[in-house]
Amino acid sequence: DAKTTQPNSMESNEEEPVHLPCNHSTISGTDYIHWYRQLPSQGPEYVIHGLTSNVNNRMASLAIAEDRKSSTLILHRATLRDAAVYYCIENAGNMLTFGGGTRLMVKP
Amino acid sequence: DAGVIQSPRHEVTEMGQEVTLRCKPISGHDYLFWYRQTMMRGLELLIYFNNNVPIDDSGMPEDRFSAKMPNASFSTLKIQPSEPRDSAVYFCASSILATGGTEAFFGQGTRLTVV
Repeated sequence: DAKTTQPNSMESNEEEPVHLPCNHSTISGTDYIHWYRQLPSQGPEYVIHGLTSNVNNRMASLAIAEDRKSSTLILHRATLRDAAVYYCIENAGNMLTFGGGTRLMVKP
Repeated sequence: DAGVIQSPRHEVTEMGQEVTLRCKPISGHDYLFWYRQTMMRGLELLIYFNNNVPIDDSGMPEDRFSAKMPNASFSTLKIQPSEPRDSAVYFCASSILATGGTEAFFGQGTRLTVV
């Protein structure tokens, strides 16, 4: 079973930042935190991952709590194309176990 | 690279028929995964391969399901006989080895409808 907890849904306004939270209170010291998203009618796509330090890439930023029991995916300026289901995953080895994710709705 | 390629994109079949889903992973990737997605159960990992060898098939629902990877560039997921409850979107994904920090690439999926 998935070991992460995320809100079922969130809403954002276009062009505003979005903070998507995730709790992973049972994470082990060697598990990476991965974020994927799934756009409508598409397969999941990788967004970002990290272990301990905060991470930035062209898509998003990942802020990891110091105790690693939670993380936040940050979309700096939401667009309509960011409307998707966002999955937070504890990755042990190569297996990705998806939970329910957070459905992000972006309002124009 | 064209990414992970799955075929067919859509399949409609009658109950009791055999169904074969196909996947071509990204060249050089040594892990291949099969997932199933339904509204009720979300994304479920069915099986994964490393260097063409099945590593974990604990997610395969029952003996009607089988998966093979005869070489590094091709995998199949077969359902025989198919049942209406097998209707779902089936995704294939591939990745390179790792430590837990790699990214998996997913195909566009095959939408299977069993009537």
